[in-house]
Amino acid sequence: DGGITQSPKYLFRKEGQNVTLSCEQNLNHDAMYWYRQDPGQGLRLIYYSQIVNDFQKGDIAEGYSVSREKKESFPLTVTSAQKNPTAFYLCASSIPSGGDTDTQYFGPGTRLTVL
Amino acid sequence: AQSVTQPDIHITVSEGASLELRCNYSYGATPYLFWYVQSPGQGLQLLLKYFSGDTLVQGIKGFEAEFKRSQSSFNLRKPSVHWSDAAEYFCAVATGNQFYFGTGTSLTVIP
Repeated sequence: DGGITQSPKYLFRKEGQNVTLSCEQNLNHDAMYWYRQDPGQGLRLIYYSQIVNDFQKGDIAEGYSVSREKKESFPLTVTSAQKNPTAFYLCASSIPSGGDTDTQYFGPGTRLTVL
Repeated sequence: AQSVTQPDIHITVSEGASLELRCNYSYGATPYLFWYVQSPGQGLQLLLKYFSGDTLVQGIKGFEAEFKRSQSSFNLRKPSVHWSDAAEYFCAVATGNQFYFGTGTSLTVIP
């Protein structure tokens, strides 16, 4: 079955620690995205990548970092510089690169809690 | 700048009743519009999308939405709600490969 997997489903972090959230897709999609979801605020874009070895900041990139070494994978690192990282994180992918619009498909999400 | 407004934070309907969830957008050109549904602790599932053509769009699970350019709206409807429809619903507008999401409407279904 094709789809997007995110791991772990739940993640706990101590203050001052960096953590990495995994996102893998086998849909052969070019573009991948990371969103943060907080209650009552909808989804906010953290980073996105249209092709391998290239990525752009979204609206709330501060305190986060990403890499795109393979087409299938787009890991997100939440660094200690992110002051309020407790949230639900969603990864998405879509077919086209180059600015064309198409449907985004979402993974099941990772809930990060800072202790 | 593009934006999406979902004016209803929370809606409660009885099972079997009709449903309409409102979505208004701000965008200069013809938008690409989407409705997604999210169950608690889960990712978003696509219900339907509008790119062009017929302004009444059919989706999965018996949902439909109508694009009204004059009102800048893309409201989601279902004629008869089932208890399993209880979830959070998000409207989104896209330009290029950037999506802009509304803040969501939470649907409760009562027996």
